[in-house]
Amino acid sequence: NAGVTQTPKFRILKIGQSMTLQCTQDMNHNYMYWYRQDPGMGLKLIYYSVGAGITDKGEVPNGYNVSRSTTEDFPLRLELAAPSQTSVYFCASSYRSGRSDTQYFGPGTRLTVL
Amino acid sequence: DAKTTQPPSMDCAEGRAANLPCNHSTISGNEYVYWYRQIHSQGPQYIIHGLKNNETNEMASLIITEDRKSSTLILPHATLRDTAVYYCIVRDPNSGGSNYKLTFGKGTLLTVNP
Repeated sequence: NAGVTQTPKFRILKIGQSMTLQCTQDMNHNYMYWYRQDPGMGLKLIYYSVGAGITDKGEVPNGYNVSRSTTEDFPLRLELAAPSQTSVYFCASSYRSGRSDTQYFGPGTRLTVL
Repeated sequence: DAKTTQPPSMDCAEGRAANLPCNHSTISGNEYVYWYRQIHSQGPQYIIHGLKNNETNEMASLIITEDRKSSTLILPHATLRDTAVYYCIVRDPNSGGSNYKLTFGKGTLLTVNP
């Protein structure tokens, strides 16, 4: 299993540009998440999905959109990039059961908006 | 999720056991203890979790006190690659809504020295 994979690893955007961060998991997990981590700070949840076709906002959703058309994929879309979106973005997935909701993380995408 | 307290930093000699403590005195009966770590600039990595019994896997052992108010993560033979920030998280796997997100505190920076 590759686990959770993310592309690209690095990206530099100009203000106002758009891009999609890709996330794929091959563990057949029902839940998927997008977090951002600013330098020296903790993780903040952007969006999450409890299954294909179902998404919901986390604590910092403004400026982002997501979709979940398949179990495996959970892309994150930035429509109008702003300097405040400079961050490291982590995708995670989990199989939630009554005894566990262990989240497994991807390697991250480091985004700089200039 | 219950609050946790960890020392900000610890040192360990390579090849020795690293014992990382965590206090979670307000833990409730449904909450599990999870340990993650984050090596600089990488995605958080799941290590181990448990409810009340001690647990062991290929990475580490988790010792939970009988009253469940504290726990210790043990890396039996620390290597230089184990240098990372280690996070102790207490959560109920059945929680929903805003509790889907993992809340990482400040954690313990473990430095393994040659």
